[in-house]
Amino acid sequence: GAGVSQSPRYKVAKRGQDVALRCDPISGHVSLFWYQQALGQGPEFLTYFQNEAQLDKSGLPSDRFFAERPEGSVSTLKIQRTQQEDSAVYLCASNPGRLGVSNQPQHFGDGTRLSIL
Amino acid sequence: GQQVMQIPQYQHVQEGEDFTTYCNSSTTLSNIQWYKQRPGGHPVFLIQLVKSGEVKKQKRLTFQFGEAKKNSSLHITATQTTDVGTYFCAGPRVNAGGTSYGKLTFGQGTILTVHP
Repeated sequence: GAGVSQSPRYKVAKRGQDVALRCDPISGHVSLFWYQQALGQGPEFLTYFQNEAQLDKSGLPSDRFFAERPEGSVSTLKIQRTQQEDSAVYLCASNPGRLGVSNQPQHFGDGTRLSIL
Repeated sequence: GQQVMQIPQYQHVQEGEDFTTYCNSSTTLSNIQWYKQRPGGHPVFLIQLVKSGEVKKQKRLTFQFGEAKKNSSLHITATQTTDVGTYFCAGPRVNAGGTSYGKLTFGQGTILTVHP
């Protein structure tokens, strides 16, 4: 597609429920990132995929957070047993990830605004 | 761990006034990127600086990268209402093994409001 697409745009869940957030990156982009953005803060790194391989998950705040990208395109971020502190905007970003180019601009989706009641 | 700090947190200006936001990193950066996020929107890439002392201009926007590659600034001349938003700087986030993979550490941003 033309840009990074995320769904749903808004998600409201009760504490304790599981949620799944979807990211459809720009076609052909190798690198995919998930970030968490709390109100009034900058995005915080969660995890990184290169194609289907999850190479870095150092930013995931707990083992309740799980991400996958099984076919190297669409990615899902799952949060189990949600808690109120999980309320935030979850942003997905992708870039071409060309070999030998260390830092490329990231193309962000509109994010999913998650509210835990 | 690596920290990227921005000041000021908020800046309110009258249309036509200039605006500057400053970014400081606790570690030397190989490069720095700047993003703009409109209210309710997502971060949009503006520019990347790589060289020590580099200065780049985009119309009314001037970006600088410090000589020590630990600080950067964004200056907007003669602000317009279309400049409203939050401006973020971001540097490569390097893990313990020294690998970045292109992931970023963002500053907390400077929120710019412009009064017409």
